[in-house]
Formats: sequence, C-alpha cells, structure tokens
Amino acid sequence: NAGVMQNPRHLVRRRGQEARLRCSPMKGHSHVYWYRQLPEEGLKFMVYLQKENIIDESGMPKERFSAEFPKEGPSILRIQQVVRGDSAAYFCASSLRIGRIRSSYNEQFFGPGTRLTVL
Amino acid sequence: ELKVEQNPLFLSMQEGKNYTIYCNYSTTSDRLYWYRQDPGKSLESLFVLLSNGAVKQEGRLMASLDTKARLSTLHITAAVHDLSATYFCAACNAGGTSYGKLTFGQGTILTVHP
Repeated sequence: NAGVMQNPRHLVRRRGQEARLRCSPMKGHSHVYWYRQLPEEGLKFMVYLQKENIIDESGMPKERFSAEFPKEGPSILRIQQVVRGDSAAYFCASSLRIGRIRSSYNEQFFGPGTRLTVL
Repeated sequence: ELKVEQNPLFLSMQEGKNYTIYCNYSTTSDRLYWYRQDPGKSLESLFVLLSNGAVKQEGRLMASLDTKARLSTLHITAAVHDLSATYFCAACNAGGTSYGKLTFGQGTILTVHP
C-alpha cells in the first residue's frame, strides 16, 4: 500500500512563474490537507479538501494560491506569480475519515513534501 | 484559536542522559500527536494520544497526555545519537468544519552528543 505521494520533490521557479504541486493521497483516503513549512519553522495549515470540495481554506493566502481535489486525479496546490517568500516545503497529508470517533482512523499521513525554491 | 507551544526549542543532550520536551496547547483538543522530522525529510508519526492520562512508549521515547492541564510530554530515556532530529507536537482542532486540522508547535531541535 503506497503512502502519500507528492511530486515534484523539488521545484525551482523564477519570480512571476507558476508552481503546481501534486499530491496523491493514500489508497482509500478522501481527505487531504496541505501544510507549509517555512525554513526553521513548524508546519502551518493551509487548506483542507475532500473530493471536489474545499472544506477549510483559512490558512491559505487570499491571493495567488488555490487548491483543488478533483473527483479523479491528485490534489493540486497552485501558486501563481511566485515570489521569494513562497520558498518553503509544502507537505500534503491524507486521512481515512474525519469524525467524532476517538480512534487513530483520523490520523494524518504525510507525504515526502515538495521543496519549492523561488529564484 | 488553538495555539501550541513547545519547549525547549533547542535541546543539546549527552548520550545516556534523560530529558523531557513539553507541549502546551491553548484550547480543547481531541488528540495530540508527536512527530519526528530529520533534516530535509517528511514527518514520521511517533505517537497519537487520544485520551486524558494516555501514555505510550516506543523504545527510548515515551509520550503522555494530560488534557486537564492541556499538556503533553515527550520523555527521552538514555539518549543516543540516532535520536537527533526535530520533534513536533501537534494538536487537533475539535469540532466545526476544520475537524482534523492540525496545529503544530514550533518544533524542538534535539542534538545528542557523545
């Protein structure tokens, strides 16, 4: 059973270009979270998606950032017109189910991350 | 808004010594997680703590949860060099549409010396 997959693992963009980060959740997982880790900092929540729905995007910058999780295919985090401050590691996590059940079914499994460098 | 604070942020230990990392969180949380991150790598799940008084142990690491004090601890026993890494705790928002969203602490960078 493959884990959470992210690609590319490393991405270099020049200022003003677009960055597209992909995340394939674990098999059977329909909940996806994106987190950003700036250098020397902890992870910060960006967005939570279920298939075809954005549930919570409270951590995502209002401009230039968007996320989707289509019915078929991976979840995509898109950053338009990148700036140097977007340089970070972007992690995707997936979980099996969400609910008021006190069990490890809600546990999030993290992908290897995409390290974005903006020149 | 849920806030999570860890201390210390930097921990330099000698091999063989014991130490504890503390994780405080500000509001009710259903679950508390501990992760390990090696430089340039992803997060490795260490422990999931689900209830008050929960204690879990794996090798030289032991984690506990006190939901009344809103405190979790990660205790390191007889440290070895292989434990050098950054350790994060994360609390889970309870309720609402963000159920399951993790709020992370700042991380504790642990270095174990011979």
